[in-house]
Amino acid sequence: QLVLTQSPSASASLGASVKLTCTLDSGHSNNAIAWHQHQPVKGPRFLMKLNSDGRHIKGDGIPDRFSGSSSGAERYLIISSLQSEDEADYYCQTWGTGIRVFGGGTKLTVL
Amino acid sequence: QVQLQESGPGLVRPSETLSLTCSVSGASINNYYWSWIRQPPGKGLQWIGYVHYTGNTIYNPSLKSRVTITIDTSRTQFSLRLYSVTAADTAIYYCAREGGDDNYFHYWGQGSLVTVSS
Repeated sequence: QLVLTQSPSASASLGASVKLTCTLDSGHSNNAIAWHQHQPVKGPRFLMKLNSDGRHIKGDGIPDRFSGSSSGAERYLIISSLQSEDEADYYCQTWGTGIRVFGGGTKLTVL
Repeated sequence: QVQLQESGPGLVRPSETLSLTCSVSGASINNYYWSWIRQPPGKGLQWIGYVHYTGNTIYNPSLKSRVTITIDTSRTQFSLRLYSVTAADTAIYYCAREGGDDNYFHYWGQGSLVTVSS
């Protein structure tokens, strides 16, 4: 079964960096994923597609402060130079034949 | 610029049918997968299902018995019907288009809040 696991919450200070983690189940550890940002009262926004080798392709207009990396079954979203507008929910998403799956989301608080 | 816009009633009575339409602009509706996703209050995102531009569909097994997604390529829109709704179907409903190279959700609508209540 295709499962993505995320920590429910994270926090970091304004101007600092934060690393959010998305973990694939052991049977799908080579899957690519996507990261999406969901700010209050807005539609979600595609940030990047992230492969198992760490290569990532970002969406239109996504700042350089957003990057991704991978290690085994873990996929990371790294946000540097945190700004107040980065406070949002972050979801990872993956796919298989005839299935699309989201992680539970991480609520990021910028202190 | 690809844009998606959901439309439909904001209030549906229990046991009735929820109907939403997603209008697509700025891109062809051909050659892509088009999905519906929802977010109940206080919860995460749940994929409901997709329609391919050919009309082929796949649904989330948890909703499969109550869902129909259709596409109208001539009108560049696709639609969701969810039957026999209950309060548990109250959610913000989003439409989305997948990337052409892989099955991530590349473009999203702004969302449409649907409340199920008598």
